[in-house]
Amino acid sequence: KAGVTQTPRYLIKTRGQQVTLSCSPISGHRSVSWYQQTPGQGLQFLFEYFSETQRNKGNFPGRFSGRQFSNSRSEMNVSTLELGDSALYLCASSLAGQGYSPLHFGNGTRLTVT
Amino acid sequence: TQLLEQSPQFLSIQEGENLTVYCNSSSVFSSLQWYRQEPGEGPVLLVTVVTGGEVKKLKRLTFQFGDARKDSSLHITAAQPGDTGLYLCAGEGGTSYGKLTFGQGTILTVHP
Repeated sequence: KAGVTQTPRYLIKTRGQQVTLSCSPISGHRSVSWYQQTPGQGLQFLFEYFSETQRNKGNFPGRFSGRQFSNSRSEMNVSTLELGDSALYLCASSLAGQGYSPLHFGNGTRLTVT
Repeated sequence: TQLLEQSPQFLSIQEGENLTVYCNSSSVFSSLQWYRQEPGEGPVLLVTVVTGGEVKKLKRLTFQFGDARKDSSLHITAAQPGDTGLYLCAGEGGTSYGKLTFGQGTILTVHP
């Protein structure tokens, strides 16, 4: 069974640009969550999607958005990039996204904003 | 806001030593998960504990969930260089919909 796939693995962008990251969940998993990981803040929850609906959202500005497609694949978009957006962005999939349904993480997209 | 305080932040030990990592909160969690993350990879789930007082063993790793479901510990016996990595605790509170509250992590280095 293929794991969670995130593309691209690395991205370098300039301040003010926007970026789109992609996540393909494990087959059969309908919940996709996104996390930001930085050395200072650790892993912080961005949002979760289930059946194309955002069910939960973390405390990030509106520049961070996401969506989920009918095949459960998900994308997240960051507009007007800031230097502080440099981080490892992790996607995780699960069967249900709650009730002890474990999260399976991808290897992340490393975003560098210059 | 639920917070998880994880300690120690760094741990450098010799092969064969024992160690314990702690995860504490003032909030009650419905479950507590432990992950291990290696450089360049995403976190990998080690265990989920859901019942207060629960103890789970995974080979040389022992996980415990506090009676009040506010704290947890990870104990490694006879650490090996292959145990080196970032260990993360994460709590799930109520109807979380994919949201876990992570501790800051413990970077463990086991020297041969």
